[in-house]
Amino acid sequence: DIQMTQSPSSLSASVGDRVTITCQASQDISNYLNWYQQKPGKAPKLLIYDASNLETGVPSRFSGSGSGTDFTFTISSLQPEDIATYYCQQYDNLPPGWVTFGGGTKVEIK
Amino acid sequence: QVQLVQSGAEVKKPGASVKVSCKASGYTFTGYYIHWVRQAPGQGLEWMGWINPNSGGTNFAQQFQGRVTMTRDTSISTAYMELSRLRSDDTAVYYCARDRSNNNCFDPWGQGTLVTVSS
Repeated sequence: DIQMTQSPSSLSASVGDRVTITCQASQDISNYLNWYQQKPGKAPKLLIYDASNLETGVPSRFSGSGSGTDFTFTISSLQPEDIATYYCQQYDNLPPGWVTFGGGTKVEIK
Repeated sequence: QVQLVQSGAEVKKPGASVKVSCKASGYTFTGYYIHWVRQAPGQGLEWMGWINPNSGGTNFAQQFQGRVTMTRDTSISTAYMELSRLRSDDTAVYYCARDRSNNNCFDPWGQGTLVTVSS
């Protein structure tokens, strides 16, 4: 099974700061990686798909990059409404296949 | 708009079974896989498996095989997830999610169903 190591598990940053979250796969997953945002008490929301594609309607301050085993999720300028937990999700290149989530990163305002 | 609406909260005793429903609207139900994901209190997301609403075919995460059943009723655009032999560590919010392009992108998600397992 592919393991996803997400870090950090939590972070505190100021409004306007650049925030970076990483996700490392235990083996090459090409670009088969998505990022989700989950606000307290709510269901997750898809932000980035296939490692770097911004979902329609998602603000451009969110971005993703990487391929192979190392991936990065970035908020270019943290806003108060971005307080949430963020998860990476890897998947098999099958229609559809197996799925694994990272452990999550809780983002708070300093 | 595309929407998934789940059934209400459940309280079950250890050893019992629970069946959660997920009613789809706003799109062709048989065109997109439905995944189930759970989240224990204060914990992360755990993928359980999927069902193909068109064929009824399923695929489960290894840790749930033998305990989980996923079915659907196409006449009412509803998917079901049944988990048997419940344990206290099955206490969680259970989500259904549409596979947006049948490529493992989950959008949208249902609102979640809290299942509490307690004696």
